[in-house]
Amino acid sequence: DQQVKQNSPSLSVQEGRISILNCDYTNSMFDYFLWYKKYPAEGPTFLISISSIKDKNEDGRFTVFLNKSAKHLSLHIVPSQPGDSAVYFCAGGWNNNDMRFGAGTRLTVKP
Amino acid sequence: DAGITQSPRHKVTETGTPVTLRCHQTENHRYMYWYRQDPGHGLRLIHYSYGVKDTDKGEVSDGYSVSRSKTEDFLLTLESATSSQTSVYFCASTSGRAGADTQYFGPGTRLTVL
Repeated sequence: DQQVKQNSPSLSVQEGRISILNCDYTNSMFDYFLWYKKYPAEGPTFLISISSIKDKNEDGRFTVFLNKSAKHLSLHIVPSQPGDSAVYFCAGGWNNNDMRFGAGTRLTVKP
Repeated sequence: DAGITQSPRHKVTETGTPVTLRCHQTENHRYMYWYRQDPGHGLRLIHYSYGVKDTDKGEVSDGYSVSRSKTEDFLLTLESATSSQTSVYFCASTSGRAGADTQYFGPGTRLTVL
């Protein structure tokens, strides 16, 4: 029962262009959504979050959009850089003890 | 970054043997978590702890036990390892101030059960 789904296993983007990573969820009770970035042989690191009372949160080149009616969120990276190449996980839940993660999207940013 | 370490980083073992993975954090975080990461599944919560000696089950707890005797250490034990427990295991911690706080992850332990 995957409550959070990332339907695109991979995404390739040219340096300087926009990267859009998508995430869908099924549980309308989720209060918080987070994005994590993971490099090979390392643990995930926190990138950006959004609570269900907002529809947008921005942090530098990273913006997360939340569409509650569609149960969909997306992460925009503008402009994309080669160092952004990593696996991105989205997660949703109502507290730390029950966060549900998607399977991840591998982003490749080509120079 | 929170100081979270995991040991061992790699382990190969045989079916039926006990295995213990260790997580150590230096941030005095109250909450600690064990996840496993498998292809197509992302991260799934095994067990978590909300304080010394206080633990609870996560989404995929069968076959695993945990212990937390000190704030900084959280142990994950596979009493009798099976091939289905071959995975990458991540530990995480958070101060747990409110809601879904950022979790800080360790570097992971790759476990292979033959």
